[in-house]
Amino acid sequence: AQKVTQTQTSISVMEKTTVTMDCVYETRDSSYFLFWYKQTASGEIVFLIRQDSYKKENATEGHYSLNFQKPKSSIGLIITATQIEDSAVYFCAMRGYGNEKITFGAGTKLTIKP
Amino acid sequence: NAGVIQTPRHKVTGKGQEATLWCEPISGHSAVFWYRQTIVQGLEFLTYFRNQAPIDDSGMPKERFSAQMPNQSHSTLKIQSTQPQDSAVYLCASSPRQNQDTQYFGPGTRLLVL
Repeated sequence: AQKVTQTQTSISVMEKTTVTMDCVYETRDSSYFLFWYKQTASGEIVFLIRQDSYKKENATEGHYSLNFQKPKSSIGLIITATQIEDSAVYFCAMRGYGNEKITFGAGTKLTIKP
Repeated sequence: NAGVIQTPRHKVTGKGQEATLWCEPISGHSAVFWYRQTIVQGLEFLTYFRNQAPIDDSGMPKERFSAQMPNQSHSTLKIQSTQPQDSAVYLCASSPRQNQDTQYFGPGTRLLVL
């Protein structure tokens, strides 16, 4: 069984700064995919970025990037130049290669202050 | 392109009644996933279909819950004899290709059982 743990319940930072959200995972799969999703205040869940376990390079997408540390089973999300509209709940998630169901972490609520 | 469509967006039922939730995946996507979100349990996987075939229903409560995908353009989640603990947001997601793609979520159906 897979497990995803986000220990930060909430984070608050000033606008235009950089924030890092932590996530650790457990799996027995040799190949797997890691994701970060964002849930807005309206409830919409939006895909942000993905890391394939076999890729050594950290994924980047716009002002989102990942800090993938495979030996530590860690996948941190880094948001640079934060904006007010980045305020949301961020979910770390994963799935194995053979089974497409996603296991989510509990989420981290991010608040960006003006 | 339209995203994943879920209807109804809100549903209120009385205890013991039946609830049917509908999901229309993104056109061309061959997989449909159902998840449930509650404050206590977070985001939980329920079941998924690939090319209309049920692949994994390990998250489905054994009684009262059933899901179908009669054609490539829609899937239904049916809850019989609804109970207050079934109150949740039910989310549908779709993805285009097997094993290589992220899932794209619909807006969810908020079910309230009185």
